[in-house]
Amino acid sequence: DTAVSQTPKYLVTQMGNDKSIKCEQNLGHDTMYWYKQDSKKFLKIMFSYNNKELIINETVPNRFSPKSPDKAHLNLHINSLELGDSAVYFCASSPGLAEGQETQYFGPGTRLLVL
Amino acid sequence: AQSVTQLGSHVSVSEGALVLLRCNYSSSVPPYLFWYVQYPNQGLQLLLKYTSAATLVKGINGFEAEFKKSETSFHLTKPSAHMSDAAEYFCAVSERGTSYGKLTFGQGTILTVHP
Repeated sequence: DTAVSQTPKYLVTQMGNDKSIKCEQNLGHDTMYWYKQDSKKFLKIMFSYNNKELIINETVPNRFSPKSPDKAHLNLHINSLELGDSAVYFCASSPGLAEGQETQYFGPGTRLLVL
Repeated sequence: AQSVTQLGSHVSVSEGALVLLRCNYSSSVPPYLFWYVQYPNQGLQLLLKYTSAATLVKGINGFEAEFKKSETSFHLTKPSAHMSDAAEYFCAVSERGTSYGKLTFGQGTILTVHP
C-alpha cells in the first residue's frame, strides 16, 4: 500500500543510452511532479502535470520527456544519457493545485548512475 | 520569485539538547512553507507545513516551526534531540496561486546527534 512508488530504485547505465523511470501514486491525486536531487543534495523541480496536462517545465533539456498516461502515472524518459544526468530523481504528488491541496508526497527516489 | 535559504549546512547537537534549524524565505505573495526530512538513501517525508492557519505549527516526531512574517523565517525546533533525529532537513516554499504547486527547496541542513 505504498502511496507514491517509483521503479526502478537503482539504475546504472552507459552514456548515450535511453532509459525510463516510472512513477505511480495510489492517493487519487490530480497533480504529479518530477524533482532532481544532485550530488550536493540540492533538489530542483523538473516537471509537473495536473490531470495529465503539463503545467511546469523548468528549462529541462529536451532529452528528458515526461509522459502521463493517466492521472496516477507520470513516467520520465531520458534520451542520450550524459554523465551529468547522474542524480536521484524523485516523483511526488499532491491532491491538486487549489488552496488546501498543496502538500506534496514524495516517492522513495530512483538513483541513476551514468557511466 | 520564491527562494529559501537554510543557515548552516551542518548542525550538531547532543542527545537531549535543543534542535534549531534555520530557514528564511523570499516570496512575492503569501507563501506555503514546509519542512521535509530525508533519512539516508530514502525519500522525503513531510514533517510539518504552514498554510496560513496558526503561525506555530506542530509536526511529527516532536518537531514544530513558527512562521514569522516580519522576519521572513520559518525555523524548525525540537526541545530534546533524539539519536533517531539524525538526518537531512529541507525547508521549502511555494507561492499561493502563482507557482502551480512548484516547491523551491533550501540547500538542506544535516543534523548530527551525539550521544
